[in-house]
Amino acid sequence: GAVVSQHPSWVICKSGTSVKIECRSLDFQATTMFWYRQFPKQSLMLMATSNEGSKATYEQGVEKDKFLINHASLTLSTLTVTSAHPEDSSFYICSASPAGGGYEQYFGPGTRLTVT
Amino acid sequence: AQSVTQLDSQVPVFEEAPVELRCNYSSSVSVYLFWYVQYPNQGLQLLLKYLSGSTLVKGINGFEAEFNKSQTSFHLRKPSVHISDTAEYFCAVTTLGGGFKTIFGAGTRLFVKA
Repeated sequence: GAVVSQHPSWVICKSGTSVKIECRSLDFQATTMFWYRQFPKQSLMLMATSNEGSKATYEQGVEKDKFLINHASLTLSTLTVTSAHPEDSSFYICSASPAGGGYEQYFGPGTRLTVT
Repeated sequence: AQSVTQLDSQVPVFEEAPVELRCNYSSSVSVYLFWYVQYPNQGLQLLLKYLSGSTLVKGINGFEAEFNKSQTSFHLRKPSVHISDTAEYFCAVTTLGGGFKTIFGAGTRLFVKA
């Protein structure tokens, strides 16, 4: 149980275009979902926290107009990278925390974004 | 603000030997503590967690960790490692004040040698 999927697993896009990444909790409801970036051989950097039905909370230094987060339901959150640039190339990981759970997070497999 | 320090970036160890991966944290509020593991080309998985109660917590795959409040530590241990334990291990601290937020340590690469 507690499976989180991400789609796509990898994507290549041209500079200036937008890319949407989906994160789904497959067998549980998640009141809170998180989006992280992971740089090579480094830890996860929290980008934003999203709660179902409300606006996402962004970490300092993360542009909310560039990284649009929508948490439309208890099982789906999306991250849209708008007007992508090569410096946005990274590994994006989502996680979900079950409603009524013990604050653990279940992670998606990640999405590799390459902007050319 | 909270911070998490994993004192070792890499830990090489021989198979069947014991191992300890160290984690220290700082926080002005109450915390919940976690260890996650990331196997090569896979997503992070929860190993174990401490929320309250007994300070010694047991997780999957024979791992355990001990919460030490006075030393603000949450070290991970396993008495006998296997080749399959080779992975990246992340210590994480969750706080609820001001919203549910988790900070991860930089990670420790455990490399088990035959």
